[in-house]
Amino acid sequence: EPEVTQTPSHQVTQMGQEVILRCVPISNHLYFYWYRQILGQKVEFLVSFYNNEISEKSEIFDDQFSVERPDGSNFTLKIRSTKLEDSAMYFCASSEVNGLYSNQPQHFGDGTRLSIL
Amino acid sequence: GNSVTQMEGPVTLSEEAFLTINCTYTATGYPSLFWYVQYPGEGLQLLLKATKADDKGSNKGFEATYRKETTSFHLEKGSVQVSDSAVYFCALGSNTGKLIFGQGTTLQVKP
Repeated sequence: EPEVTQTPSHQVTQMGQEVILRCVPISNHLYFYWYRQILGQKVEFLVSFYNNEISEKSEIFDDQFSVERPDGSNFTLKIRSTKLEDSAMYFCASSEVNGLYSNQPQHFGDGTRLSIL
Repeated sequence: GNSVTQMEGPVTLSEEAFLTINCTYTATGYPSLFWYVQYPGEGLQLLLKATKADDKGSNKGFEATYRKETTSFHLEKGSVQVSDSAVYFCALGSNTGKLIFGQGTTLQVKP
């Protein structure tokens, strides 16, 4: 069964540094998402992406965050200047169509654990 | 706004016990509802879904029924196994496509 893959599985970065988290969504999927899960807390929506532009973003997704689909397969999340509170598990997800109007749910990768020192 | 509330965990059960994890939601319209499971060290996996009122989602012995009148989507399993130990997330599909998750419920099944 096709999978969403994320790299790296664990990223350790000094505060203030830039970090790029990478995702390869399922190949025929059109909608892409990033979520994060701070340790012990709920999974929170960050951003959705469709047709090469952001569809929706949460309050968490401020100017320090950006997303990009640089080629036909990768989907990246960049944090420009990391803060301690950015430490979390970041999940990428993709879906074939918009979840509300379809039976196709979102498929998640295994996540990247980001640790900011 | 839309939200999901799950019962507090952890839930600790003996093998073969009956499981219920409560989930209620607040939403406008008629969202799709999902249960995701997260095994230790892994990502989120879709367990089951329901897209309209009175639908029953089922998978691997787990079931949940979309109850519009009580705005609930409780997860049940008749006989749990040690391998079911995981964190279970109830989620709502918003009208913009994003998922809104509950806080997760940890299930521990002891032999």
